[in-house]
Amino acid sequence: QKEVEQDPGPLSVPEGAIVSLNCTYSNSAFQYFMWYRQYSRKGPELLMYTYSSGNKEDGRFTAQVDKSSKYISLFIRDSQPSDSATYLCAMSEQASGTYKYIFGTGTRLKVLA
Amino acid sequence: GAVVSQHPSWVICKSGTSVKIECRSLDFQATTMFWYRQFPKQSLMLMATSNEGSKATYEQGVEKDKFLINHASLTLSTLTVTSAHPEDSSFYICSPSKTSGSTDTQYFGPGTRLTVL
Repeated sequence: QKEVEQDPGPLSVPEGAIVSLNCTYSNSAFQYFMWYRQYSRKGPELLMYTYSSGNKEDGRFTAQVDKSSKYISLFIRDSQPSDSATYLCAMSEQASGTYKYIFGTGTRLKVLA
Repeated sequence: GAVVSQHPSWVICKSGTSVKIECRSLDFQATTMFWYRQFPKQSLMLMATSNEGSKATYEQGVEKDKFLINHASLTLSTLTVTSAHPEDSSFYICSPSKTSGSTDTQYFGPGTRLTVL
């Protein structure tokens, strides 16, 4: 079993839809959770990060962490074709110091105009 | 912000040659640098972690003599692929870690696509 599981997709949605992207994990020591967006042939771009459980909102993006279920989510409201990309979740045991990030495989999202 | 540059963005070389990739954090200082490799439609694979002024720590299975990492300053790190072979063809991405308050967050460069003929 991988430490972090993420459905690779592709996930196709119509423009304007609410998108839900998810990751599950097995290591209960994970405390710091990130979501990155990666366009084709580009490096990942940090979208959001959260520390421990709870919700965090930034514009059209909302990140949720449920540590009891070992489950994290990224919601995208009013999705746009420009949101079409691969979304990677990442997590680590600490928010500071030289701690490795464990990445999901990424979910490919296609938003259809 | 957290702006990271990589150079070159793509490179084609002949088998047996060496290739150097530069990574710069343009608006922050990075004590720690991570280097990743990514194959098509796969996730990021951590190759090594380096702290400024120290030797890099390599992940299991990554040859330290083949992938030379230098982290001589807080804004510059280089990865040299020595005696490159076709199986080294991949997308290489650096990730300097930015400290904000009590958190260290990895930001990524735009990547370097290496093709070895």
